[in-house]
Amino acid sequence: EAGVTQFPSHSVIEKGQTVTLRCDPISGHDNLYWYRRVMGKEIKFLLHFVKESKQDESGMPNNRFLAERTGGTYSTLKVQPAELEDSGVYFCASSARHTGELFFGEGSRLTVL
Amino acid sequence: DAKTTQPPSMDCAEGRAANLPCNHSTISGNEYVYWYRQIHSQGPQYIIHGLKNNETNEMASLIITEDRKSSTLILPHATLRDTAVYYCIVRVTNFGNEKLTFGTGTRLTIIP
Repeated sequence: EAGVTQFPSHSVIEKGQTVTLRCDPISGHDNLYWYRRVMGKEIKFLLHFVKESKQDESGMPNNRFLAERTGGTYSTLKVQPAELEDSGVYFCASSARHTGELFFGEGSRLTVL
Repeated sequence: DAKTTQPPSMDCAEGRAANLPCNHSTISGNEYVYWYRQIHSQGPQYIIHGLKNNETNEMASLIITEDRKSSTLILPHATLRDTAVYYCIVRVTNFGNEKLTFGTGTRLTIIP
């Protein structure tokens, strides 16, 4: 069974540009989460989808970040315009209903120059 | 979610049991103890979780004290691949709303 996959694995962009990160959860997992680790900081929660609905987006840092999960399958996280402080690793995770275990992807490393 | 305290780093000899402590003195009755680890720069990996009884799976054992104010993750026969940062996380589990609060964790180094 395929795990959580994320694309791209690494993206380097200029400040002010736009980047879109994609996450494909494990098939059948209704819950999808985005987390991130910026340089030197702890891993932080960004938001949580249940199917296509945003359940909790309390961790989204500002309105430059937009997450979508159309159709309740894969999700995208767009950063527009990117700032230097957005550099870090963005992790996606998914879980089935009624379980306490999150399955994380390998992360997408974002470098903003 | 209750705060957790972990030592910043530990070493363990290969083949020995690695015992990672975690203090969570403000844990409330409906909060679970979770353990995740992050190997190098990979995504975090779930290890185990429990409420008050000790738990064991193919990866590790979780020992929770009777007053639930602390717990210990045990890797019974540590290998070099167990070198990682281990996170102890305490939270109410809604089984589907897993908003985890990662702290700084314990960096475990397995020594050959």
